[in-house]
Amino acid sequence: SAVISQKPSRDICQRGTSLTIQCQVDSQVTMMFWYRQQPGQSLTLIATANQGSEATYESGFVIDKFPISRPNLTFSTLTVSNMSPEDSSIYLCSVEVAGLAKDEQFFGPGTRLTVL
Amino acid sequence: QKEVEQNSGPLSVPEGAIASLNCTYSDRVSQSFFWYRQYSGKSPELIMSIYSNGDKEDGRFTAQLNKASQYVSLLIRDSQPSDSATYLCAVKPGNTGKLIFGQGTTLQVKP
Repeated sequence: SAVISQKPSRDICQRGTSLTIQCQVDSQVTMMFWYRQQPGQSLTLIATANQGSEATYESGFVIDKFPISRPNLTFSTLTVSNMSPEDSSIYLCSVEVAGLAKDEQFFGPGTRLTVL
Repeated sequence: QKEVEQNSGPLSVPEGAIASLNCTYSDRVSQSFFWYRQYSGKSPELIMSIYSNGDKEDGRFTAQLNKASQYVSLLIRDSQPSDSATYLCAVKPGNTGKLIFGQGTTLQVKP
């Protein structure tokens, strides 16, 4: 698989502020994704992070609220903007690694966000 | 109809028994199917992938796929208390690059 790190691992933020989450991978990856997991829920895909171009967002998620960057093959950031308590969630990046089994995705450890 | 459906459980089995977890999906052209294990407070861990009809075995785990009936299952033999976790079924629809996750089944293995 791959070693995936996320920073920060957790944070408590005030309403109206923004938080940028980083995802770093130690291998060449073909695809990078950002998910949200709300308390007691399954995973919901926010967007696919595309290298050097705008991310592809899923229905219900917009670039103004969740801007994403992916400047190279192994690094991406997700910003949660103008936060409200409803944004309290775990945010996870996942990757597909070049050369491994088809379509397999591996997850980072996640960022636990609490918005007060 | 949800795209990927699982019984949320909890499914409770005694230690040493076989745990059977089931998942159905709606997209007939789906090609790739996965089972993830998620311990409380941790991120999902990939434990099985399956692409063809039939069984795929890896240690105590067996994944079963039936595309005609649109279901995929996970069997855990000789269940251990350490297997207690939420198991997520994920499917890759035929026309997209993303995974669709079920709600997850909580498994409790009692000593």
